[in-house]
This record gives sequence, C-alpha cells and structure tokens, in this order.
Amino acid sequence: ETGVTQSPTHLIKTRGQQVTLRCSSQSGHNTVSWYQQALGQGPQFIFQYYREEENGRGNFPPRFSGLQFPNYSSELNVNALELDDSALYLCASSPETGSAEAFFGQGTRLTVV
Amino acid sequence: AQTVTQSQPEMSVQEAETVTLSCTYDTSESDYYLFWYKQPPSRQMILVIRQEAYKQQNATENRFSVNFQKAAKSFSLKISDSQLGDAAMYFCAYRSAAWGGSQGNLIFGKGTKLSVKP
Repeated sequence: ETGVTQSPTHLIKTRGQQVTLRCSSQSGHNTVSWYQQALGQGPQFIFQYYREEENGRGNFPPRFSGLQFPNYSSELNVNALELDDSALYLCASSPETGSAEAFFGQGTRLTVV
Repeated sequence: AQTVTQSQPEMSVQEAETVTLSCTYDTSESDYYLFWYKQPPSRQMILVIRQEAYKQQNATENRFSVNFQKAAKSFSLKISDSQLGDAAMYFCAYRSAAWGGSQGNLIFGKGTKLSVKP
C-alpha cells in the first residue's frame, strides 16, 4: 500500500456527461500527477500539479482539467465525455516536483457508454 | 521526444526459474531515470526497481536486477527464482531528470504480461 487513495474505484458515465475523479496523495507529498491507461496500453501522462498549480501537461484536450487543494489532494475533471475516454485513471504522488519517486493509487476505472 | 519500447507483449516462466524482460528507449538527454513497474490485477502500479542514468552500476533489489546499457539505450529486467506472485504486467518507464513542465512525467512502454507456471 502506497498511501495514495483514489475514488471512486469504478464509474459508469454516459457520453456527453462530466465526471470528477479524486485522489488523496501520500502524506507529505506536494506533487500529484494523473495518467490515463487505455486497455492494453501503458499509462499516458495527462498533467501534473505542484503546490496547487499545474506545472506540466501531456497531449490531452482542454476538456481534461484538474485542481489541487491546499492539503495536496487533487481532482481530475473531464467534460463532454467521449467513448474513447473509457480507461483506467491513475493518480501518482511525489514528495517534490523534481523527485524521481512516484507512488500510485489503485486507479479509477471509467466506462463511458 | 522520448519513447519507450517493450517488444515482448507476453512472457512465460516456470516457477523458480529466471526470466528477462526487455526494454529499449530513445532520448537525447544524458540525465534521466529508468524504472520497472509491476501492475497486478489489483491495478496499482508498484515500483520494482529504479536506475539513475549517471550510475554505471546496475541496480538490484532482492530477486530483481537490471542490465542497463546506456550506449545501447537498453534496460532489461531479470527476475530470479520466479514466484507465482510475480505474475503481472510489467512496465518499463523513463523520466527526465529535468524539473517541471512535461519533462517531469513518466513515459511508459506498452507493457509485458508475465505468466508464472507452477
């Protein structure tokens, strides 16, 4: 167990809807990253938050947005859901933005129908 | 842009035997980290082993060791005395040593599914 918790564990949404996924980072960690893992693929970087500011983003459209709160927990929001958004969403926390260590949660499985 | 390639979609090993998983990467950077992560059916990514590019010595963690060939951009994982609990997806990952932006994220390969036969 890494101490990184994600909720919910599973979620089913309809195309066009909006979804919010949550991540509680490990105690003492101020950096949170989100990844999307499609079936049979490796995780793809969505964005990273450091001390409540986005400080890195992968090749994802603006309808993927996030927040980080003062306690360093984080949210991933996806608007106008598409079928291709169906995936496992992983959150990883790190002690510092430059740290090589990343500790993952167990993920949220999102299914868009 | 950096890329990570795992050319073995599936591998199988007999319990107590040794297996090697392959990984190659492409980068123009000189300072970076390489990782092997294990993802069991529980879905949580678990760090198996880490290698700093500036270190010539290959990393070792108990039954897990790597063969890091910087010039060849190769980073293989050897699992000795394989156990049933080693069965999982294994992902090779790259991370720049630079701070901030999109450089601080992990870049993953597509994974290798390891089966362990009793």
